[in-house]
Amino acid sequence: DVKVTQSSRYLVKRTGEKVFLECVQDMDHENMFWYRQDPGLGLRLIYFSYDVKMKEKGDIPEGYSVSREKKERFSLILESASTNQTSMYLCASSLWDGYTFGSGTRLTVV
Amino acid sequence: QQQVKQSPQSLIVQKGGISIINCAYENTAFDYFPWYQQFPGKGPALLIAIRPDVSEKKEGRFTISFNKSAKQFSLHIMDSQPGDSATYFCAASPSGSRLTFGEGTQLTVNP
Repeated sequence: DVKVTQSSRYLVKRTGEKVFLECVQDMDHENMFWYRQDPGLGLRLIYFSYDVKMKEKGDIPEGYSVSREKKERFSLILESASTNQTSMYLCASSLWDGYTFGSGTRLTVV
Repeated sequence: QQQVKQSPQSLIVQKGGISIINCAYENTAFDYFPWYQQFPGKGPALLIAIRPDVSEKKEGRFTISFNKSAKQFSLHIMDSQPGDSATYFCAASPSGSRLTFGEGTQLTVNP
């Protein structure tokens, strides 16, 4: 089974901090994705990547950036955390259509 | 154009009943329609998926019904069990492309 591992389950950060969320997958998938999950809004795509060094903006990229230096690792960066970025962040990977998600990181910005 | 609208937002069903969750889409380029199931503290997991060349797909107690002309698809859970209590997301994409998710439905199955 493909495993997608997110480095932290819970994070509490202060407003203005730079925050790194890490995601690693172990099945050589080309595609990786970052979503945020908020009640009533479903899963909204922040950024995605179809290859190493490649990145594409999703639907809500403002305030975020990403890094993919190695195929298995996709990092989400909050340049200057704000309270409206308090959310559940989900990483996913795929080879084609079926996504495998990590367990999520619940980020609270205070 | 990219939206997927899901309803209801929450659903309460008695054990043994049928749970029905509906989704509608606009983008005619969508040709892959999965459903994901999410338990508390876990990421979503692929439950069942359909492509528009068939109108229905069944896997155990879970069935997807697909209406291409209406641009709608739905998830039916037969003989619903308390263990089915979870959040369900529909999604859609052009094949091999990024998924667009619905808003989610929180299903509660009472014993």
